[in-house]
Amino acid sequence: DTGVSQDPRHKITKRGQNVTFRCDPISEHNRLYWYRQTLGQGPEFLTYFQNEAQLEKSRLLSDRFSAERPKGSFSTLEIQRTEQGDSAMYLCASSDPPRASGSLETQYFGPGTRLLVL
Amino acid sequence: AQSVTQLDSQVPVFEEAPVELRCNYSSSVSVYLFWYVQYPNQGLQLLLKYLSGSTLVKGINGFEAEFNKSQTSFHLRKPSVHISDTAEYFCAVSEPGGGNKLTFGTGTQLKVEL
Repeated sequence: DTGVSQDPRHKITKRGQNVTFRCDPISEHNRLYWYRQTLGQGPEFLTYFQNEAQLEKSRLLSDRFSAERPKGSFSTLEIQRTEQGDSAMYLCASSDPPRASGSLETQYFGPGTRLLVL
Repeated sequence: AQSVTQLDSQVPVFEEAPVELRCNYSSSVSVYLFWYVQYPNQGLQLLLKYLSGSTLVKGINGFEAEFNKSQTSFHLRKPSVHISDTAEYFCAVSEPGGGNKLTFGTGTQLKVEL
């Protein structure tokens, strides 16, 4: 178990550029979540996948954001035409699906990708 | 919609002293409750979680939390802190059937001093 990994760890870009982040979940986990954490705040949910299906998207995920998980393994989060307000830590987490209705599996978080938009 | 309030943004405490980090939540349904810790430049690590059953939950690193339904609280405690406990602590909730997505509070910075 190598844990959840994210790449890159840091990204500096100029306003208007596109950026893409990658998340590799724990290998046997089929749920994958993306969160965003701005300075002084807790993480906020963006979207999640079960296998390759994107099951929910937050209203925080504007049209400039797109997430994919094409083979049900790693996921990418792309931000187009970045704005200064996109500067944040982008966190990925993975988990098993609930084993039964009403149950819950622990989400394991990666180290995050810190984005700075100049 | 669910929400989490962590009233204390910073808590300074001397080493070996006890500490309590406060968390209150609101939700129209039953919730699952969590405490995560975030060390500098690292991701979030689960300390403990409450799903059901005993209201006193024990976690890693000597931490424990008590679920109080009437007060809608889930305060985190440790009887004796160490320098290594210095970190940001986040309380979070999740509603059953809601994709298990987490709603976090704004965090409490615990600073342990000698």
